[in-house]
Amino acid sequence: GDSVTQMEGPVTLSEEAFLTINCTYTATGYPSLFWYVQYPGEGLQLLLKATKADDKGSNKGFEATYRKETTSFHLEKGSVQVSDSAVYFCAPRATGRRALTFGSGTRLQVQP
Amino acid sequence: EPEVTQTPSHQVTQMGQEVILRCVPISNHLYFYWYRQILGQKVEFLVSFYNNEISEKSEIFDDQFSVERPDGSNFTLKIRSTKLEDSAMYFCASRSGTGGTDTQYFGPGTRLTVL
Repeated sequence: GDSVTQMEGPVTLSEEAFLTINCTYTATGYPSLFWYVQYPGEGLQLLLKATKADDKGSNKGFEATYRKETTSFHLEKGSVQVSDSAVYFCAPRATGRRALTFGSGTRLQVQP
Repeated sequence: EPEVTQTPSHQVTQMGQEVILRCVPISNHLYFYWYRQILGQKVEFLVSFYNNEISEKSEIFDDQFSVERPDGSNFTLKIRSTKLEDSAMYFCASRSGTGGTDTQYFGPGTRLTVL
């Protein structure tokens, strides 16, 4: 079945540090790929997405590139802020399926 | 900006009782979903709903669960006889289904506590 592997957290960084959160997936066909973010006490918000190979999704300084050859969708940001502290979920949606398959989430803590 | 809303934000119930969780999807969206997140664990898919019927469900979504769209705006999840292990955050989501977009928009969640 479909699955997602995310790097375990928590990831603790200082403000302005570079962020990478790794995500690899297994899914049938050509999945659409999503990153969702969950801020403390809130629901899931779409951060960015990519729908085909080599597409780059970007939003709020975050980027992720759909790498079909390595089945990866790593999240990056060049300079994190304290306000980026949250839990980040990688979530592919396999071709022909309605459901998103969520990773276990990676907690990011950014210190001033 | 339109958003998915859910009520209540927190529901406490006794084991064996029935609960109904309510969601108002984004207007004009055609696809509706329920997910749950047990504390400290990953978000899990429960069910998807389109054209007034279930289009996909997971093994979690057994006979204790049901969904309904009773009118043009609400989408509900009913748990007939709650168990302790049903305690979780339940998220509703909706998707447009038009224009090729496949983004699911999530509500803020209902925290269900079964005692």
